[in-house]
Amino acid sequence: EADIYQTPRYLVIGTGKKITLECSQTMGHDKMYWYQQDPGMELHLIHYSYGVNSTEKGDLSSESTVSRIRTEHFPLTLESARPSHTSQYLCASSEYNRGSDTQYFGPGTRLTVL
Amino acid sequence: GESVGLHLPTLSVQEGDNSIINCAYSNSASDYFIWYKQESGKGPQFIIDIRSNMDKRQGQRVTVLLNKTVKHLSLQIAATQPGDSAVYFCAEIPARSGNTGKLIFGQGTTLQVKP
Repeated sequence: EADIYQTPRYLVIGTGKKITLECSQTMGHDKMYWYQQDPGMELHLIHYSYGVNSTEKGDLSSESTVSRIRTEHFPLTLESARPSHTSQYLCASSEYNRGSDTQYFGPGTRLTVL
Repeated sequence: GESVGLHLPTLSVQEGDNSIINCAYSNSASDYFIWYKQESGKGPQFIIDIRSNMDKRQGQRVTVLLNKTVKHLSLQIAATQPGDSAVYFCAEIPARSGNTGKLIFGQGTTLQVKP
């Protein structure tokens, strides 16, 4: 069982609200990732980080922003939520070890914007 | 562009039978592949991985086969159980991704196990 946590698990909010999705891992991994996933579909990378003070945009354009002030914490923020942001957001972390770079995922946050 | 895809969106098997889930990838330079299992309402869970210098790797009840000639990856589950019902994703790390560890995911196959 991976030690990576996401809160909240479910969030329903109105358009225009600012939200922050939390992600924390206790494995000491340097790399962390945020994915967006629509129901039954593949995961799309929206942000990643190599370590503290490192953040990069992923392959899928997103209006969200991230920060990495501490190794274990990688929050994602939406300044003004819209219905098009409705999706599941998955956080993951990894560390290169003995030839593999397996990512471990949190349980996800299911976001609904009304 | 790069893509990782699965041949069938849904696979239905009888409990106790073996399951084979397939995946085709397009980037011949990819050197690392992973299979994930995602149950409803949960994040993907690591099942097994394989590097490109291997053809086969076995775990507990699962086997991953890699055919680099035709760029094909498969996951075999022995004696499928109801708890195996989930969506299965293959993912690859392209060689050009360097140290980022970025994964490219396929679309997923839903495995349904009939009692």
